[in-house]
Amino acid sequence: DQQVKQNSPSLSVQEGRISILNCDYTNSMFDYFLWYKKYPAEGPTFLISISSIKDKNEDGRFTVFLNKSAKHLSLHIVPSQPGDSAVYFCAAFNDYKLSFGAGTTVTVRA
Amino acid sequence: DGGITQSPKYLFRKEGQNVTLSCEQNLNHDAMYWYRQDPGQGLRLIYYSQIVNDFQKGDIAEGYSVSREKKESFPLTVTSAQKNPTAFYLCASSIQGVYYGYTFGSGTRLTVV
Repeated sequence: DQQVKQNSPSLSVQEGRISILNCDYTNSMFDYFLWYKKYPAEGPTFLISISSIKDKNEDGRFTVFLNKSAKHLSLHIVPSQPGDSAVYFCAAFNDYKLSFGAGTTVTVRA
Repeated sequence: DGGITQSPKYLFRKEGQNVTLSCEQNLNHDAMYWYRQDPGQGLRLIYYSQIVNDFQKGDIAEGYSVSREKKESFPLTVTSAQKNPTAFYLCASSIQGVYYGYTFGSGTRLTVV
């Protein structure tokens, strides 16, 4: 049973606009939440994380929001750039391991 | 440069054959992990190891086996019991027990024909 869910398999956004990626989780024991970016035939690379006791974390163009009561987090990318086109995975950490969502493929249009 | 190496990048095997995927890291990480990626299912945890000579099953361990005889190495064997072995396999390592600093390899694409 998947504990981390990304219900939008794809997202298309115009260059310069905001990309919003969503993630839901079911396990209230998760300590940290992370977003990873992945290109085809490569391993994921870390983007940004947030502790379960925070509600927002910002790093440059990337901001992650956590709504613990709703068991929901989102990643905002502003402004979106062509190099942001990739698959984005939401991940959650507890019990010594990361659990991943199914991923959202982001396409940034020129 | 420290990193994690998976080999080979592409692997083809006949149905019914066991195959072993290599994963080596020189990051001095205690913990290592194997994930499998399928379209629409994200990364699913197969096995993980927090320390040498110890490992635990992940969410989809059936049909797979691992060993952890050395800190640097965590090979994954895909056995003939794995019903759908064709997938992209990713190895990762981290400092034991922490959420940050996971380093992933570049993956092995296994195709069983």
